[in-house]
Amino acid sequence: DAGVIQSPRHEVTEMGQEVTLRCKPISGHDYLFWYRQTMMRGLELLIYFNNNVPIDDSGMPEDRFSAKMPNASFSTLKIQPSEPRDSAVYFCASSSSGGAETQYFGPGTRLLVL
Amino acid sequence: GNSVTQMEGPVTLSEEAFLTINCTYTATGYPSLFWYVQYPGEGLQLLLKATKADDKGSNKGFEATYRKETTSFHLEKGSVQVSDSAVYFCALSGGSARQLTFGSGTQLTVLP
Repeated sequence: DAGVIQSPRHEVTEMGQEVTLRCKPISGHDYLFWYRQTMMRGLELLIYFNNNVPIDDSGMPEDRFSAKMPNASFSTLKIQPSEPRDSAVYFCASSSSGGAETQYFGPGTRLLVL
Repeated sequence: GNSVTQMEGPVTLSEEAFLTINCTYTATGYPSLFWYVQYPGEGLQLLLKATKADDKGSNKGFEATYRKETTSFHLEKGSVQVSDSAVYFCALSGGSARQLTFGSGTQLTVLP
């Protein structure tokens, strides 16, 4: 199993630019989660999907952030326009409703907004 | 709501020392409990889990017992190695939402 795949692994952009982060969950998993990790705030859940439908987006910081899951094997997290305070590591995780609630994390995307 | 309180770090130990990282939780119902580990530059990996009271999760020499009476899930290892240096997160999951509630993480450094 390839595990959760995220791209890009590193992204450096300038303030005001659009940033798109991508995630491919483990095949067969029907839950997908987006997290943000910073030194100041730790690990924060931004949004999660079940069967491609957004269930809870209360963690999305503001309207500049949006997430989509057009099919079971792909999700995006978009930031438009980006700001320096968005600099963080963004993780995607997936889990299966068929088993325990274990979430499997991707390697993360390290975002730096200048 | 659910919450997880973890022992503040960082923790620095010498190789072969005994490790305890405390974790207590607040939750309604009967949550499942987890320890995740994050090595430098990587994502979180499941270390161990327990799904009901008095269960003991174990993996790679680490252990944690689900104590409902004290609402705790402390992580222990009898003899740490340099390769155990990482950040450790306690987490809980409950109900149908499938969300995990994470603690703040504890940085462990093991010196040779």
